[in-house]
Amino acid sequence: EIVLTQSPATLSLSPGERATLSCRASQSVSSYLAWYQQKPGQAPRLLIYDASNRATGIPARFSGSGSGTDFTLTISSLEPEDFAVYYCQQRSTEGFGGGTKVEIK
Amino acid sequence: EVQLVQSGAEVKKPGESLKISCKGSGYSFTSYWIGWVRQMPGKGLEWMGIIYPGDSDTRYSPSFQGQVTISADKSISTAYLQWSSLKASDTAMYYCARLPKNTYYDILTGDQLYYYYYMDVWGKGTTVTVSS
Repeated sequence: EIVLTQSPATLSLSPGERATLSCRASQSVSSYLAWYQQKPGQAPRLLIYDASNRATGIPARFSGSGSGTDFTLTISSLEPEDFAVYYCQQRSTEGFGGGTKVEIK
Repeated sequence: EVQLVQSGAEVKKPGESLKISCKGSGYSFTSYWIGWVRQMPGKGLEWMGIIYPGDSDTRYSPSFQGQVTISADKSISTAYLQWSSLKASDTAMYYCARLPKNTYYDILTGDQLYYYYYMDVWGKGTTVTVSS
């Protein structure tokens, strides 16, 4: 079983600041790692797949990096609409990490 | 427009059965996997299982194996998630989502292989409430 651990659980930042979210796998997932954004009352939205590929329509301020067991989602300059919960997901059936909430400081 | 339209909210009693649906449109329904994801109130996302409507190949998370049944009717581009006997702990939002198939080639054999895991299109979710 591959476990994904996201950190921090909560990130308090101001608009315009840089956000760095971490996702660590208990064993290698190669580059099979995706990131999602979920806002209250909405379905998740795919941001990044295969560790670093932006999904269709995702702004360039979102970027993903990493391979193996350590991955990062970076939001270069937070916009008001970016305050949300972010999940990582890997390829096996165990699926998702526990999430990181990005909140307004 | 690619869409997944889910059935409406359900309120059920413990022990009752339930089948919720997810109808795809705007793309070839039989060429993508469909997955189901649970989100309990105030909690994170849980991967339940997936089905390939083209041949009904189905995979379950060990946590949900035997607890739910995933099926699909490709003639009407619809996937289903069903319970035979609901419990209060099944109270949650359930999302369906589309999983693209991505091809790659084995560098040793040249065989065409494929992988699928990320979910690029999501339904709006179906709320299931189980209460006596």
